[in-house]
Amino acid sequence: AQTVTQSQPEMSVQEAETVTLSCTYDTSESDYYLFWYKQPPSRQMILVIRQEAYKQQNATENRFSVNFQKAAKSFSLKISDSQLGDAAMYFCAYTGAQKLVFGQGTRLTINP
Amino acid sequence: ETGVTQSPTHLIKTRGQQVTLRCSSQSGHNTVSWYQQALGQGPQFIFQYYREEENGRGNFPPRFSGLQFPNYSSELNVNALELDDSALYLCASSLPGGPAETQYFGPGTRLLVL
Repeated sequence: AQTVTQSQPEMSVQEAETVTLSCTYDTSESDYYLFWYKQPPSRQMILVIRQEAYKQQNATENRFSVNFQKAAKSFSLKISDSQLGDAAMYFCAYTGAQKLVFGQGTRLTINP
Repeated sequence: ETGVTQSPTHLIKTRGQQVTLRCSSQSGHNTVSWYQQALGQGPQFIFQYYREEENGRGNFPPRFSGLQFPNYSSELNVNALELDDSALYLCASSLPGGPAETQYFGPGTRLLVL
């Protein structure tokens, strides 16, 4: 079964500092994609970053980057220069075919 | 470019009733997926529609059903509502491309069953 585990229910960081959110997954597939989504209080799920499993290079999007360790099935998200607007629930997700499998989420708080 | 829209935003029903939720996909997207997100949980996959046919289903009972229309909009129908059906229902649209589809989400419909 495909599972995604986020071991940090809550994280907090000072504004302008760096924070890393952890994610591990389990799959027997070789071709898949990994995502981080952000869900602010407005509820809309917003795509933050995407990683193709066949690519060794870690994806980056501005202040957001991932550390993808395929052998360890680990996919962490690093947020640099944290901003107040980054406060939200962050979900790690995996897709092999059709559906997204989500983790339980990490609530990120930004302290001014 | 229009994003994914959902209606209504909020809905209150009583146990045993039926409900229909609606979703309009992002312009150019022909695949729609539905997810149920209980409070404090990650979203759970209900089913996906591609070109008006069901294209995968999660572990949900048959009283959860759906439709996709020629314009790629979609409906989620839930019959015989139960208290545990109270949740945020998310719709996501994507372009088909094998496992590479990136899914873009709408704002969700919050359903409360009393």
